[in-house]
Amino acid sequence: GENVEQHPSTLSVQEGDSAVIKCTYSDSASNYFPWYKQELGKGPQLIIDIRSNVGEKKDQRIAVTLNKTAKHFSLHITETQPEDSAVYFCAASIGYNQGGKLIFGQGTELSVKP
Amino acid sequence: SQTIHQWPATLVQPVGSPLSLECTVEGTSNPNLYWYRQAAGRGLQLLFYSIGIDQISSEVPQNLSASRPQDRQFILSSKKLLLSDSGFYLCAWRSPGRETQYFGPGTRLLVL
Repeated sequence: GENVEQHPSTLSVQEGDSAVIKCTYSDSASNYFPWYKQELGKGPQLIIDIRSNVGEKKDQRIAVTLNKTAKHFSLHITETQPEDSAVYFCAASIGYNQGGKLIFGQGTELSVKP
Repeated sequence: SQTIHQWPATLVQPVGSPLSLECTVEGTSNPNLYWYRQAAGRGLQLLFYSIGIDQISSEVPQNLSASRPQDRQFILSSKKLLLSDSGFYLCAWRSPGRETQYFGPGTRLLVL
């Protein structure tokens, strides 16, 4: 089955710096890759997603890149702010025929220091 | 707009007691529904998913069960809780034909 590895497990940056979180997946059939942000004690919130027919997607300070050949995708946050501090999860899915199941990475705890 | 509710928000139960967690979705019909467990703030593990009433799949063998008594209601149950059942339980939904899953606020369960 699908396996998703996420690195680093913790990341500390200064306010205004960029943060990069990387994930690799094992199943080449995976075609949907969402990123979630989870604040303490809350449910994960979708922040950006990308499909396998696209190499890059950007939404303001957040961008995601996908390399299908290498089977890895990354989250890029520019101009970080203290409110970006949270745990971030990547996930992969092989789509509708498998019930839309998401396989999650283990999470990255991002700390943005003012 | 669609919203997802989970009840209760927190729960403390003794070992061996029964469990019932509820998840309801509003503003959509025939959603796909999911139960996840998260331990120690990391690693979401899929427990059950349902693509319709009476269509529930189990992902991990355990002493938990799931039911879907109504189209937009998903219940997670146990007859006898174990210490290892402690964790943060998350319900999620998605529209059929769409990929994005949306999570509820979660239920924190502590088994003593």
